[in-house]
Amino acid sequence: QVQLVQSGAEVKKPGASVKVSCKASGYTFTDYYMHWVRQAPGQGLEWMGWINPNSGGTNYAQKFQGWVTMTGDTSISTAYMELSRLTSDDTAVYYCARGEYRYGHDYWGQGTLVTVSS
Amino acid sequence: EIVLTQSPGTLSLSPGERATLSCRASQSVSSSYLAWYQQKPGQAPRHLIYGASSRATGIPDRFSGSGSGTDFTLTISRLEPEDFAVYYCQQYGSSPITFGPGTKVDLK
Repeated sequence: QVQLVQSGAEVKKPGASVKVSCKASGYTFTDYYMHWVRQAPGQGLEWMGWINPNSGGTNYAQKFQGWVTMTGDTSISTAYMELSRLTSDDTAVYYCARGEYRYGHDYWGQGTLVTVSS
Repeated sequence: EIVLTQSPGTLSLSPGERATLSCRASQSVSSSYLAWYQQKPGQAPRHLIYGASSRATGIPDRFSGSGSGTDFTLTISRLEPEDFAVYYCQQYGSSPITFGPGTKVDLK
């Protein structure tokens, strides 16, 4: 069965960077894009972008361009999302989600809470 | 960017009742690439509907989606206790992918 397992919660200071991992299993990692979506406390869902693990190509939401980096390691079927120059506004749960152009986001990771606090 | 608006913000209903949730887009959604997700507190979103009207794997048939263009609807024919949650619509036909603000279905 398809599973996306994310890394554990992080606490970071303002100005730092965070890197969240998402290990995929149960399907061919390179056959599907991996998207990242975040959710601030009590708020809705915000799409951040995607990576094509096959080519390494990326597409970031304009808001995140210049400070998010999405990468993938096909040898271990793992996607990564790194966010730099963190502020308290980046405190959120970060989700990876498998994307397929016909279906949307059909499988989601369990989420990783990133807390930014001095 | 396609802006999605959901109504109502909160829907207070009892088990067994019918729930009708609306999602309106600021411009036409390409190829009906409109999805619905259910989210319960502390959990990741769950994929319910894709292509505006197709149920995702394992989703009970009390959930149905309809609509095209700019107006879409999620209907839960008879609410079960486990259906009380927040529901989000999403358009994935054009970049950036966008979500609606959500409709909370809570217990009356």
